[in-house]
Amino acid sequence: GAGVSQSPSNKVTEKGKDVELRCDPISGHTALYWYRQSLGQGLEFLIYFQGNSAPDKSGLPSDRFSAERTGGSVSTLTIQRTQQEDSAVYLCASSLAGLQETQYFGPGTRLLVL
Amino acid sequence: GQSLEQPSEVTAVEGAIVQINCTYQTSGFYGLSWYQQHDGGAPTFLSYNALDGLEETGRFSSFLSRSDSYGYLLLQELQMKDSASYFCAGDNFNKFYFGSGTKLNVKP
Repeated sequence: GAGVSQSPSNKVTEKGKDVELRCDPISGHTALYWYRQSLGQGLEFLIYFQGNSAPDKSGLPSDRFSAERTGGSVSTLTIQRTQQEDSAVYLCASSLAGLQETQYFGPGTRLLVL
Repeated sequence: GQSLEQPSEVTAVEGAIVQINCTYQTSGFYGLSWYQQHDGGAPTFLSYNALDGLEETGRFSSFLSRSDSYGYLLLQELQMKDSASYFCAGDNFNKFYFGSGTKLNVKP
């Protein structure tokens, strides 16, 4: 596609529910990144996928968060048993190769946990 | 630990030059990146310094000094559309660490 796409664009859920966020990177980009941005705050790095390598999950905020990248393309970020503090914009980015390459961001998923 | 510090807010007039500093404490970043984010928008990549020195891209330049754990973003010929938040970020093998961002206000 022309750019990074994310779905849903907005998600409202109740505390305790699970949510799944999707990211479609730019075709041919081997690197994919997830970030979180709370209102008025900076970017918080969550996880980085490079090709088929196993990602370092230590940046995920808690064990309720998990991320997968299937077939080196689409990625899903899953939050189990959501809490109100999970409310934020979840941003996905992709780059042609590794960390030194230009990252192209998707529009984000705005998550609100009631 | 990893931390990057930036001024929270900077104000400058249209046509001027502004420098946004970023100092960091880290066990070793490979490089320093800069991102621009307009209110309500997604971040846009501006530059990446893998080596010490100045990188110039149009009106924007970025500088890195590893020995001083310091970098800056220089914006020249400021335009109203440059009003945005600017973030520096360091990468360490497989993670990114972001500063809290500098809000740039460009006034006519």
